[in-house]
Amino acid sequence: GAVVSQHPSRVICKSGTSVKIECRSLDFQATTMFWYRQFPKQSLMLMATSNEGSKATYEQGVEKDKFLINHASLTLSTLTVTSAHPEDSSFYICSARPSGGPHPDTQYFGPGTRLTVL
Amino acid sequence: GQQLNQSPQSMFIQEGEDVSMNCTSSSIFNTWLWYKQEPGEGPVLLIALYKAGELTSNGRLTAQFGITRKDSFLNISASIPSDVGIYFCAGLKGAQKLVFGQGTRLTINP
Repeated sequence: GAVVSQHPSRVICKSGTSVKIECRSLDFQATTMFWYRQFPKQSLMLMATSNEGSKATYEQGVEKDKFLINHASLTLSTLTVTSAHPEDSSFYICSARPSGGPHPDTQYFGPGTRLTVL
Repeated sequence: GQQLNQSPQSMFIQEGEDVSMNCTSSSIFNTWLWYKQEPGEGPVLLIALYKAGELTSNGRLTAQFGITRKDSFLNISASIPSDVGIYFCAGLKGAQKLVFGQGTRLTINP
């Protein structure tokens, strides 16, 4: 149980284009999902908290107009990197927190999406 | 942002040896989580701890939630090659954000 998927797993795009990454909780509902970015050999850096049916909460220094988040259902959140540039190349990972259950605070992570902007 | 102090940063051991790593914090957490991350993958939850003093096992893995709620350790017994990866501790205060340790990179010589 508690499986989270991400799509795509890898994406290569040209500079200036937009890329959408999907995060799905497959066997549970998640009112809250999180988007992280990870640089090589570093820990995960939280970018934003995605809340179903409401606006996402962004961490300091993260541009909300560049990283658009939509959490339209209890099992799906999307991150769109708009007008991507090479410095946006990174490993993006989502996590989902179950709605209810004995331990609703535990986060389960997706497998990550490797974005390369040329 | 806030981080947990995780040590050691890296370990180089022989197959079959036991492994121990820990995380400490200056503040209290209500939940401690231990994750393992392999290259190109997302973190996978290994053990979750919800009560101070709790000792939990998952196969060859054992983790404890410190009584002060400011620390946790993870032990791996009789290491095998597939244990290679980066281990992260993470602390939670209620429904707040996860606070991560810097990670422990485990390398095993066969």
